[in-house]
Amino acid sequence: NAGVTQTPKFRILKIGQSMTLQCTQDMNHNYMYWYRQDPGMGLKLIYYSVGAGITDKGEVPNGYNVSRSTTEDFPLRLELAAPSQTSVYFCASSWGQSNEKLFFGSGTQLSVL
Amino acid sequence: AQTVTQSQPEMSVQEAETVTLSCTYDTSESDYYLFWYKQPPSRQMILVIRQEAYKQQNATENRFSVNFQKAAKSFSLKISDSQLGDAAMYFCAYRSLGGSARQLTFGSGTQLTVLP
Repeated sequence: NAGVTQTPKFRILKIGQSMTLQCTQDMNHNYMYWYRQDPGMGLKLIYYSVGAGITDKGEVPNGYNVSRSTTEDFPLRLELAAPSQTSVYFCASSWGQSNEKLFFGSGTQLSVL
Repeated sequence: AQTVTQSQPEMSVQEAETVTLSCTYDTSESDYYLFWYKQPPSRQMILVIRQEAYKQQNATENRFSVNFQKAAKSFSLKISDSQLGDAAMYFCAYRSLGGSARQLTFGSGTQLTVLP
């Protein structure tokens, strides 16, 4: 069973470039999340979605965009990449119950140089 | 907004010994959930244990147990009989019952080293 799949695993961008981080889940989860993890810091929420067609900002949304056209997919778009966006990005999903765990992807290491 | 604090950036433990990782949180809510996640070098986030705030009994999962002190807003993780495979970054996390996001709020993590 695949769970949450993120691609790519690693990427190097030049300042000003754009890219899309892909996230797919096969568990029919309603809720999906994008987090970023900076060195020595915990994960911070970028965007989330409670279902297809519904997205909202998290704690650190600036410089990012998302879409949720299907239940399975939740891509994260970086426009005009900046060095401050160098981080590890995690996608996660759940059904939305407060006591349940989140299922995480294996992360994308992004460097902006 | 809720905040989660892990005051120990690094900890080490001898194999087969016991170690306790600390976590405190700040909230005005009375009901919520607390979690400990493990992140090994593979980066995969793995749920270790969870605690419902309305339950007074501390959660246990095999060698892992918590000391939940609601009044003190403290949620420490105890690992007994430590194994080399326990070496990882450990994150404490808070989840509110309310709000539309139902997201986890994470602490900054504790890097655990297990010495053979």
